[in-house]
Amino acid sequence: GENVEQHPSTLSVQEGDSAVIKCTYSDSASNYFPWYKQELGKRPQLIIDIRSNVGEKKDQRIAVTLNKTAKHFSLHITETQPEDSAVYFCAASSRDDKIIFGKGTRLHILP
Amino acid sequence: KAGVTQTPRYLIKTRGQQVTLSCSPISGHRSVSWYQQTPGQGLQFLFEYFSETQRNKGNFPGRFSGRQFSNSRSEMNVSTLELGDSALYLCASSPKRTSGGIGETQYFGPGTRLLVL
Repeated sequence: GENVEQHPSTLSVQEGDSAVIKCTYSDSASNYFPWYKQELGKRPQLIIDIRSNVGEKKDQRIAVTLNKTAKHFSLHITETQPEDSAVYFCAASSRDDKIIFGKGTRLHILP
Repeated sequence: KAGVTQTPRYLIKTRGQQVTLSCSPISGHRSVSWYQQTPGQGLQFLFEYFSETQRNKGNFPGRFSGRQFSNSRSEMNVSTLELGDSALYLCASSPKRTSGGIGETQYFGPGTRLLVL
C-alpha cells in the first residue's frame, strides 16, 4: 500500500542553525503534501503545505521543497528557535483519497 | 471560528469494555477523519466520514467503528477493548473530502487519550 518514510526520527540542532527533515512517498498519484507540528501534549498543527504543481513554498523561516520525479519532499527551518522544538510529521495524499503520515521527527533545539 | 473539539479528553477503561469518543468539527466542515496515534507509529488512519457516510477505511479490525450525524459531528466506537488500543485518538475536519486524489487540508482536534488497563 501507500507509504511515507520520514527521516531522521530524531534531530538535534543548535539554536540559530537550520534543520532539514526529509520524506519520501510511494504513490505516484500523490499531489498534496502537508507538514504538521505537534508540541508536547497538543494537537498537530498545520505549518505549511505544498501541492504537486509547485516545486517550493516558503513562509518566513519555513520552506518546503518537492521533487516529484524522485518522490521526495523536505521541510527546511532556518534560524531555529527554542519554540521550534516539537515533533514534525510529513504527509502525502494517496490515490485512494487518504492522507498518509510519516512516523514523525522529534526536533530538539539546543541552547 | 471555534476549532475542532473532542470529548472526553481522557479515558481509562479495562479490557473487554467498549468506548465511544466524540468529535465536533469546525463549523461548515463536512469531512471528519479519525486517526490513532501511538509512540513510534505516527498517525494511523482509521476512517473518514462525509455526509453521514463512511467514505474510507484504514487497516483496523471491525472492533473500530464510527458514524457521523447530520450536523457533521462524529463518534468513534471501540468494542472489546484490548491493551494495545491504548493511544491518543485524534479527529480532523476538512471543508471538503479528499477526492480524486486531490488532498484537502485537515484541522486536528486535541485528541482523546485512552488508557486500557
